Amino acid sequence: GNSVTQMEGPVTLSEEAFLTINCTYTATGYPSLFWYVQYPGEGLQLLLKATKADDKGSNKGFEATYRKETTSFHLEKGSVQVSDSAVYFCALSSLGGSARQLTFGSGTQLTVLP
Amino acid sequence: NAGVTQTPKFRVLKTGQSMTLLCAQDMNHEYMYWYRQDPGMGLRLIHYSVGEGTTAKGEVPDGYNVSRLKKQNFLLGLESAAPSQTSVYFCASGTSGVKNIQYFGAGTRLSVL
Repeated sequence: GNSVTQMEGPVTLSEEAFLTINCTYTATGYPSLFWYVQYPGEGLQLLLKATKADDKGSNKGFEATYRKETTSFHLEKGSVQVSDSAVYFCALSSLGGSARQLTFGSGTQLTVLP
Repeated sequence: NAGVTQTPKFRVLKTGQSMTLLCAQDMNHEYMYWYRQDPGMGLRLIHYSVGEGTTAKGEVPDGYNVSRLKKQNFLLGLESAAPSQTSVYFCASGTSGVKNIQYFGAGTRLSVL
């Protein structure tokens, strides 16, 4: 079956530090890949996505590249801010049953200190 | 811009009690989903619906029932709550198609004592 493995947290960084959150996946076919972010007390929001190999998703300074050869979709940001403190989820979308379904990783808690 | 609205936001139940969680979306999406979120386990799909009048089981359906009588609403029911159902429940809606972007509600925190 499909699965997503994320780097375990929590991750604590100082403001302006470089961020990498690793994500690898196992899937049949050609899934779409996503990063969702969950701010405290809120639901998940789509951060970025990539739908085919070598695509780069980007948003709010975050980037991730769909690497089919290494089955990875690592999230990066060059300079984090305190407002980036949140839980980050890697996910893949594949056809399951009668609808496309999302499979999520376990989430990585990021705390950015001023 | 309501998006996906879940009610209630918090609930405490005793073992054996029943309740219904309501999800409403105003984006005219065909697909709706119910997930549960537990520490260290990400989100797991309980049930989903691909249109009005349809429902299907997800990864962890036992102990839950759902109904989609209207396109904009998706109800999650617990007939006899158990402590193992203590969790945060999220509803999502989305369009069909390969990109399958899902839009999430703010969640319902449920405690079963």
